[in-house]
Amino acid sequence: QVQLVQSGAEVKKPGASVRVSCKASGYTFTNYYIYWVRQAPGQGLEWMGIINPSGGSPNYAQNLQGRVTMTRDTSTSTVYMELSTLRSEDTAMYFCARSYGDRDAFDIWGQGTMVTVSS
Amino acid sequence: DIQMTQSPSTLSASVGDRVTITCRASQSISGRLAWYQQKPGKAPKLLIYTASTLQSGVPSRFSGSGSGTEFTLTISSLQPDDFATYYCQQYNHFWTFGQGTKVEIK
Repeated sequence: QVQLVQSGAEVKKPGASVRVSCKASGYTFTNYYIYWVRQAPGQGLEWMGIINPSGGSPNYAQNLQGRVTMTRDTSTSTVYMELSTLRSEDTAMYFCARSYGDRDAFDIWGQGTMVTVSS
Repeated sequence: DIQMTQSPSTLSASVGDRVTITCRASQSISGRLAWYQQKPGKAPKLLIYTASTLQSGVPSRFSGSGSGTEFTLTISSLQPDDFATYYCQQYNHFWTFGQGTKVEIK
């Protein structure tokens, strides 16, 4: 079936980096955009960025520019999100999601990856 | 940036109630509005897209309407499985979510 499966929970110290993976299966990887969305504990959803698995440059939320990097590996149908210079405010559940076009709703979501930043 | 404002933030209702949630955009979003349901510890689930199109597999008691800058999500008869938090999202210019509406048991 169509699914996005994310890597496991991470605990990092302030200033470190974290990389979260999102592996797609059940559909043609390059036909759908992948997004990253995060949710701090008890808070709402925040869009972080978009990557086109078929090519082109990712587009990042302005407040994360310079700290976030999204990459793709078409050989494994996997997208990666790396966030650097972590601070306590980055503690959140991180989700990947897909859409068919870049002006479409997110129809499939990963299960989420909890990232905890703590000294 | 387009801001999305949902109301109410919390809603207390009983099984069988008709429930309406409103979402306002700070500018026109050309109908590119989605609604998601999220339960604790789970990923959001797409309910409605392009303001009024029901996602496959979603019960028909959910409906969406609106245009321009004002949109609504209606649950015609609230079921036990519907107690959750609901988010609207615009995808016309970048992507922005509302702050969420928690539907609680009265």
